[in-house]
Amino acid sequence: AQSVAQPEDQVNVAEGNPLTVKCTYSVSGNPYLFWYVQYPNRGLQFLLKYITGDNLVKGSYGFEAEFNKSQTSFHLKKPSALVSDSALYFCAVRLETGANNLFFGTGTRLTVIP
Amino acid sequence: DAGVIQSPRHEVTEMGQEVTLRCKPISGHDYLFWYRQTMMRGLELLIYFNNNVPIDDSGMPEDRFSAKMPNASFSTLKIQPSEPRDSAVYFCASSPFGAFWSGNTIYFGEGSWLTVV
Repeated sequence: AQSVAQPEDQVNVAEGNPLTVKCTYSVSGNPYLFWYVQYPNRGLQFLLKYITGDNLVKGSYGFEAEFNKSQTSFHLKKPSALVSDSALYFCAVRLETGANNLFFGTGTRLTVIP
Repeated sequence: DAGVIQSPRHEVTEMGQEVTLRCKPISGHDYLFWYRQTMMRGLELLIYFNNNVPIDDSGMPEDRFSAKMPNASFSTLKIQPSEPRDSAVYFCASSPFGAFWSGNTIYFGEGSWLTVV
């Protein structure tokens, strides 16, 4: 079975502070990991992905994520949060081989406080 | 590229009516997905197609739901008859070929907001 867990439903951070949105995964093979963001009344937008190689992945809007195989984690980070980063963030996993769909976490609502 | 295009964006219908949601995937993408998003259940994969052929429909909740992809540029998700518990946001998404070994990204449409009263 494959799954991702986002342990926090809600994360609040002050504008200008660093932010972290947590994600852990469970797969039986090599994972492909993704982060998506959903702004109000919009579809999901791709932020970044880890396939292989460097464990630190850089994506859109200044976000980055670190793949940690020993901790089976793929936390999303940004050095300095903006109010406009407030949105719903989804972690997702796909197996290297197998079904060709993404398994999504339950989402974490990020609120950046001015 | 115009991205994944869904219609209608919003629909309010009465219980028992037929609902048809439409999707145009990104040109050249071989995979098409239908997801449903609700507060209670989050994002659920309903069905996905590869080269217009349904590959996995295990997420389709019941026989009232059906999906078709008559050609590479069009898909429909139909609910007949609709029920209030079908109220949700339905997303269509597409992905290019090569996903198994390249982790190709899935691109989402803006969603169809369905309310069944």
